[in-house]
Amino acid sequence: RKEVEQDPGPFNVPEGATVAFNCTYSNSASQSFFWYRQDCRKEPKLLMSVYSSGNEDGRFTAQLNRASQYISLLIRDSKLSDSATYLCVVNTGFQKLVFGTGTRLLVSP
Amino acid sequence: DVKVTQSSRYLVKRTGEKVFLECVQDMDHENMFWYRQDPGLGLRLIYFSYDVKMKEKGDIPEGYSVSREKKERFSLILESASTNQTSMYLCASSPLDQWLPEAFFGQGTRLTVV
Repeated sequence: RKEVEQDPGPFNVPEGATVAFNCTYSNSASQSFFWYRQDCRKEPKLLMSVYSSGNEDGRFTAQLNRASQYISLLIRDSKLSDSATYLCVVNTGFQKLVFGTGTRLLVSP
Repeated sequence: DVKVTQSSRYLVKRTGEKVFLECVQDMDHENMFWYRQDPGLGLRLIYFSYDVKMKEKGDIPEGYSVSREKKERFSLILESASTNQTSMYLCASSPLDQWLPEAFFGQGTRLTVV
């Protein structure tokens, strides 16, 4: 079983839609969680950290469910510029970051 | 701004060659990482280092070695390149932070082994 699993997509949504991605992780001792964004042919960049109580950054909301070992990312009012691959990342301890394979989002006009 | 610089954007090497990929970061980060990224497989950790001269194997270290002689520089070495090492290689660095070790990536090196 992979340490971090994501649905690869693609998720095709119209502008203005709300879309949600989930990610599951296998190591219950994982310490911290993140969502990274990767544009085509670019390096990944941190989108947001995921806090235990859930957190919001503008149109983006991240949630953590430790009991079920999953994290989620909700994007409201999708923009064309949100089209990218979203990587779920887990800090499994000793600052080792494990990446999911990514979920591809395509926002269309 | 944090900057992580990889020495080459594109490389073409022959099977059996010894290949060096260099990475330099300018933020005095303790941790440095080498990943490879392949379609459908995502980013897979090859090696990481949390201090000068220290290294830890990641998930796929076979066929690779690393060197960290200075804090700012982390080199990935392909001892004898093979075609299955054709991939995008990404270097990253992060500060020593147990809870929120944000990783900053270089622009990547696309290596083709022929």
